[in-house]
Amino acid sequence: SAVISQKPSRDICQRGTSLTIQCQVDSQVTMMFWYRQQPGQSLTLIATANQGSEATYESGFVIDKFPISRPNLTFSTLTVSNLSPEDSSIYLCSVARVGGEAFFGQGTRLTVV
Amino acid sequence: DAKTTQPNSMESNEEEPVHLPCNHSTISGTDYIHWYRQLPSQGPEYVIHGLTSNVNNRMASLAIAEDRKSSTLILHRATLRDAAVYYCILRDVAGATNKLIFGTGTLLAVQP
Repeated sequence: SAVISQKPSRDICQRGTSLTIQCQVDSQVTMMFWYRQQPGQSLTLIATANQGSEATYESGFVIDKFPISRPNLTFSTLTVSNLSPEDSSIYLCSVARVGGEAFFGQGTRLTVV
Repeated sequence: DAKTTQPNSMESNEEEPVHLPCNHSTISGTDYIHWYRQLPSQGPEYVIHGLTSNVNNRMASLAIAEDRKSSTLILHRATLRDAAVYYCILRDVAGATNKLIFGTGTLLAVQP
């Protein structure tokens, strides 16, 4: 199993600012994923964070808006930039081993005012 | 990414079995069938996964059709704590990305 710690658990931010979310895993994993869950909706994959290379973004998500860092095999950050009220969502970090189960953090609830 | 189809919602009574269906008619030979659930205000948690054979674990059973175009998650005795959104997801382990793409899931309500 893998235990994932996400920080912060929630935040309220002013529009136009940025929020950086941290994801710490208790073991080394090759792939980490970042998801967004808008109110009342399912999870949408933002990007795959690979250690030692640039993140791979899904359609509709761009690096300028959602820059990701992956400095080592246990840690990643997601920044949500130039915040607008439409960015109010829960952001979740996930890890998975090839062919195995995925584990998720508890999420970061972002409210933009 | 292969697509799954699930009912939007289902209801069950406490301590009765629950059968949650999932259709995945475009499944490929290297797709594993994964089930996750999301309790209110929590991140998703793994339930079970399988490739061809039926699978059992402490949480649930997974019944996979012979042609693999559908599967059923079975909760043997529903409890109030099982009320959650259940997601059926196909995961291609032969691909390089290893990612999980979530559909809309089934909202399970459990009545006392």
